[in-house]
Amino acid sequence: DQQVKQNSPSLSVQEGRISILNCDYTNSMFDYFLWYKKYPAEGPTFLISISSIKDKNEDGRFTVFLNKSAKHLSLHIVPSQPGDSAVYFCAASARGYGGATNKLIFGTGTLLAVQP
Amino acid sequence: DAMVIQNPRYQVTQFGKPVTLSCSQTLNHNVMYWYQQKSSQAPKLLFHYYDKDFNNEADTPDNFQSRRPNTSFCFLDIRSPGLGDAAMYLCATSIAGGRSQYFGPGTRLLVL
Repeated sequence: DQQVKQNSPSLSVQEGRISILNCDYTNSMFDYFLWYKKYPAEGPTFLISISSIKDKNEDGRFTVFLNKSAKHLSLHIVPSQPGDSAVYFCAASARGYGGATNKLIFGTGTLLAVQP
Repeated sequence: DAMVIQNPRYQVTQFGKPVTLSCSQTLNHNVMYWYQQKSSQAPKLLFHYYDKDFNNEADTPDNFQSRRPNTSFCFLDIRSPGLGDAAMYLCATSIAGGRSQYFGPGTRLLVL
């Protein structure tokens, strides 16, 4: 039972354009969402997060939008750069899920390719 | 720089030959996690330590064990690796109650 879904395995965009990566979740107890970026042969690096009390969080070129009623979040990258080419993982957690450790549930990732 | 370090980055082992992967951290986080990630799949949590308390996921095979001798180090032991255990193994840390986890670069395990 996949609680966090990234239905697009890959996405290709032109440099300078907007990249939109999508994520859906099923567990209404999730109250915190994160995006991680992963280059080949490296571990995931934290990119941006959002609490369920917000519907938008922005950090430079990266914005995450949360639609709780639709159980959907998206990551917008504007403008996209070739260095953004990587796999992007969506992750979710519910406070207390896993005791004091707030376990993360990951999606399967979306491979973003930004073409020069 | 505070970081999560995994050694080795690449490990080749033989079918059935025990192997140990290591993780160390300079973040002084009290929670350490081990994930298994296979190609095109989500990272899958195997177990985690909250200080010295070990927490196993229900579906983690008995073949996988872990040790945490101190705050800084955590080991993943695979007692009898099978071909299906070939994967990327990721170590992560967090503070207790923290909402974010910090990952190491991973160890790519190949089983021959």
